[in-house]
Amino acid sequence: EVKLVESGGGLVQPGGSLRLSCATSGFTFSDFYMEWVRQPPGKRLEWIAASRNKANDYTTEYSASVKGRFIVSRDTSQSILYLQMNALRAEDTAIYYCARAPTGTHYFDYWGQGTTLTVSS
Amino acid sequence: ENVLTQSPAIMSASPGEKVTMTCRASSSVSSSYLHWYQQKSGASPKLWIYSTSNLASGVPARFSGSGSGTSYSLTISSVEAEDAATYYCQQYSGYPHTFGGGTKLEIK
Repeated sequence: EVKLVESGGGLVQPGGSLRLSCATSGFTFSDFYMEWVRQPPGKRLEWIAASRNKANDYTTEYSASVKGRFIVSRDTSQSILYLQMNALRAEDTAIYYCARAPTGTHYFDYWGQGTTLTVSS
Repeated sequence: ENVLTQSPAIMSASPGEKVTMTCRASSSVSSSYLHWYQQKSGASPKLWIYSTSNLASGVPARFSGSGSGTSYSLTISSVEAEDAATYYCQQYSGYPHTFGGGTKLEIK
């Protein structure tokens, strides 16, 4: 059974940092693209980061809204996806989901339950 | 960035009705890369229809998808109470992926 479980959300002051984790199981982690998608309260889903699979050297992509502040990485030995978030802003407040994307499909077939980040003083 | 606009934003239907919601893109999207998700209140999104017209695993056959270019649609042939949710379209035509604003389906 495919499972994605996010953790690490919380309340952070503007300018602060936080690292989110997404523990995965039930599939070969290195074979899949892994993505971060967020949803601000009452708003649409927003894709923010991608980690390509091993065949593509785990290269990364970011949305303009987080590029230079967020870093996506993997611990391949433990099948965990990370999102390091720096220089946080109020507009980063959202539920953060990790999702799996089968290579070449560019859709997200499994999602975690989400973890909530609130950026506020 | 390819902007997706969904309409209507909110719709209400009675059980048994046929409903159609649309997703329009600011630039052409390959039909292979236009997808739909269902999100119920307080839950994570679920892949619902992929590559325009393919139902994800477990999706009832009353759902269908169609479209090409800049115009896509999701149709429910006979709405049921369990279909109450927000439906989002998503596209890929190079990064970034983008999502539409969603259509909230309410059941009368």
